[in-house]
Amino acid sequence: GQNIDQPTEMTATEGAIVQINCTYQTSGFNGLFWYQQHAGEAPTFLSYNVLDGLEEKGRFSSFLSRSKGYSYLLLKELQMKDSASYLCAVRQNSWGKLQFGAGTQVVVTP
Amino acid sequence: GAVVSQHPSWVICKSGTSVKIECRSLDFQATTMFWYRQFPKQSLMLMATSNEGSKATYEQGVEKDKFLINHASLTLSTLTVTSAHPEDSSFYICSARVTPGDTQYFGPGTRLTVL
Repeated sequence: GQNIDQPTEMTATEGAIVQINCTYQTSGFNGLFWYQQHAGEAPTFLSYNVLDGLEEKGRFSSFLSRSKGYSYLLLKELQMKDSASYLCAVRQNSWGKLQFGAGTQVVVTP
Repeated sequence: GAVVSQHPSWVICKSGTSVKIECRSLDFQATTMFWYRQFPKQSLMLMATSNEGSKATYEQGVEKDKFLINHASLTLSTLTVTSAHPEDSSFYICSARVTPGDTQYFGPGTRLTVL
């Protein structure tokens, strides 16, 4: 079957670091995306990995290991506005279709 | 960056009526757009892939006669929910694929409530 697994919820304090893991088993792989989604809003693009390694973008970094079917999103210097759902999505082929995980709700506390 | 708009942002309709949702790419041309549905506290579920100038490709379990998709131009795709019922109430989100890079950018979503 095809699965994309990520934790349901994570809680961290303001200023801390949180790592959201995503494991996937899909019939094809053509890139992995991370999106942020606030309640009632559409997802916004955070990062994209297609090769193994770490991609850094300001406070957000994303890592990919294709051999392990594993990615993580690292959020540093957490701010209250980072409280949101973070979605891991795998693109299986060049057509662009994405399969989404269920999302990880990150709660940032003061 | 790439901007995708959706209209309307919310709609309330009576059971049995049809509702049309528009998705536009504002500053780029999109040969491929995607339509998703999201129920509360759940992830996005792909409904169909919309290709400009050709028929949409529907995911398994999605009724093509109920969810009509038209991608008439490189900047506009429409989703029509025909004979809507309360169980069709959901958050409908479109995305457009930007090439090169193949990143998908999402519209702001349309919240449909069927009474």
